[in-house]
Amino acid sequence: SAVISQKPSRDICQRGTSLTIQCQVDSQVTMMFWYRQQPGQSLTLIATANQGSEATYESGFVIDKFPISRPNLTFSTLTVSNMSPEDSSIYLCSVETGTSYEQYFGPGTRLTVT
Amino acid sequence: DAKTTQPTSMDCAEGRAANLPCNHSTISGNEYVYWYRQIHSQGPQYIIHGLKNNETNEMASLIITEDRKSSTLILPHATLRDTAVYYCIVRVANYGGSQGNLIFGKGTKLSVKP
Repeated sequence: SAVISQKPSRDICQRGTSLTIQCQVDSQVTMMFWYRQQPGQSLTLIATANQGSEATYESGFVIDKFPISRPNLTFSTLTVSNMSPEDSSIYLCSVETGTSYEQYFGPGTRLTVT
Repeated sequence: DAKTTQPTSMDCAEGRAANLPCNHSTISGNEYVYWYRQIHSQGPQYIIHGLKNNETNEMASLIITEDRKSSTLILPHATLRDTAVYYCIVRVANYGGSQGNLIFGKGTKLSVKP
């Protein structure tokens, strides 16, 4: 398994601002992912964070709104840009190791946009 | 869209076995069945996965029908801490490509009662 931490754990932000969420893993991992969970809903995949190249975004998510960085095999960031109240969600990162096909999730970042 | 169908909710008495069903009638030959759970306000937790044979680990057992069109997750002795939303997901076990992504449906809300 992998131990994943996210910062911040929660934040309240003003509309129009941006927030960068950090995801740190305790070991090198092949794949890192970012998900969004809107209130009362299930998880939706935003993008796959690729090391050394641009992230791969799912339908409905664009780089200008959710820029992602992955500078190495243990760290990634997700920025929520130009926020609106509709961006209020829990944002989770997850990782998949190179030795199994199990995906492990971080504790999430609870974002409220006012 | 999720490729699985699960009951919206289930109740289970503490100490009894919890049997959570999942239908995945369109599963492909190279797709695995994965189970995750999400305890309130936490990130999803990997439970178990399997291809066609029954699987058991320290958390649960996974029973997959011979035609692979349905499966059952069994928590042998449910405790109050097992109260969570349980997600059944089918996916290809590989790295890269959208087929390997986890697509979360609405899951089954399991309530374990004293």
